[in-house]
Amino acid sequence: DAGVIQSPRHEVTEMGQEVTLRCKPISGHNSLFWYRQTMMRGLELLIYFNNNVPIDDSGMPEDRFSAKMPNASFSTLKIQPSEPRDSAVYFCASSLDGQARTQYFGPGTRLLVL
Amino acid sequence: QKEVEQDPGPLSVPEGAIVSLNCTYSNSAFQYFMWYRQYSRKGPELLMYTYSSGNKEDGRFTAQVDKSSKYISLFIRDSQPSDSATYLCAMNFGNEKLTFGTGTRLTIIP
Repeated sequence: DAGVIQSPRHEVTEMGQEVTLRCKPISGHNSLFWYRQTMMRGLELLIYFNNNVPIDDSGMPEDRFSAKMPNASFSTLKIQPSEPRDSAVYFCASSLDGQARTQYFGPGTRLLVL
Repeated sequence: QKEVEQDPGPLSVPEGAIVSLNCTYSNSAFQYFMWYRQYSRKGPELLMYTYSSGNKEDGRFTAQVDKSSKYISLFIRDSQPSDSATYLCAMNFGNEKLTFGTGTRLTIIP
């Protein structure tokens, strides 16, 4: 089992640029979660999908952030335009039947916005 | 006030010692409690999962929940250098949404 796959692993960009983070969940899992981790705020849930449908996006910080899940094996998190305060590690996780207690996390994307 | 409070540490203990990690929370409706371990530059991985009050043991790890005090603990016996990581507590109401503590960085000194 390959686990949750995220790309890129590292991203350095300049303020104002568009950033797209990608995630491939574990095959067969039907729930997908996007998290952001910072030293100050810890791990925060941004949005989660169940069967490719967004269920709760209340954690998305503002309209500059958007997420899509066009099919069961792929999701993107986009930031446009990016700002320095978006610098963080972004994790994708997947689970079977939305069970938060069985979430498997990907390795994360480390984003630095200059 | 955050819903879940966790001392960020860092915490350093000698190999073989018993480690105690703790979280407090404010929402009494939380029902499921979890501990995750996160190695440097990796994603969190689930260590322990408990429902409601009580103890749960898994090898060298024991998770304890005291709902009356809104306090959860993770104990590590016979600590090893490989236990050096950040430990995150998490909890939820039984739905998909997890609320995490900020994590405690632990170092086991050989």
